[in-house]
Amino acid sequence: GQSLEQPSEVTAVEGAIVQINCTYQTSGFYGLSWYQQHDGGAPTFLSYNALDGLEETGRFSSFLSRSDSYGYLLLQELQMKDSASYFCAVRDQENTGFQKLVFGTGTRLLVSP
Amino acid sequence: DAGVTQSPTHLIKTRGQQVTLRCSPKSGHDTVSWYQQALGQGPQFIFQYYEEEERQRGNFPDRFSGHQFPNYSSELNVNALLLGDSALYLCASSTGLAGSLNEQFFGPGTRLTVL
Repeated sequence: GQSLEQPSEVTAVEGAIVQINCTYQTSGFYGLSWYQQHDGGAPTFLSYNALDGLEETGRFSSFLSRSDSYGYLLLQELQMKDSASYFCAVRDQENTGFQKLVFGTGTRLLVSP
Repeated sequence: DAGVTQSPTHLIKTRGQQVTLRCSPKSGHDTVSWYQQALGQGPQFIFQYYEEEERQRGNFPDRFSGHQFPNYSSELNVNALLLGDSALYLCASSTGLAGSLNEQFFGPGTRLTVL
């Protein structure tokens, strides 16, 4: 089967740093993506890791360890607008050769003043 | 440059009815994927269309069907609606096949309520 586990909720204050973890178990693995979704909005792409290591994009960084089936999203200098749900998603390839995204259940981040 | 658009934004149906949801991909994109997102959950993959054919399917019954048109737009059809079909239906577009899922662009979704 396929499963991705994330904490259900994380709270932090403005200016702080927060890490959202994701552990996964899939039949095939071709990379880990992160998406942000504000209430009532569409998921928006944040980052993608195909190889082990850290990818940095502005205030956001994402890390992957394929040997540990683990990744995390690091958000620095938190702002109120970062309050949203964050989803990790695995690119999983079926025997047909076509790939699909498998999403975790999401982590709700609440940033307070 | 228009992003992914979906229609309608909201829809209310009763059990047993049929519904059609529509999606226009981002300009330059040729692959459309559909997802179902229940309240408080992550998006669940329904199926993916490329070159007017269904290329990949998730664990959804045959009541869920789709179509892609030559202009790359797509429709999602759900027959014999159940209460459990109430959800946000998201369309995502990308380019190509295997390399496309690094980044998917999502539309605002259609909120379907089944009474």
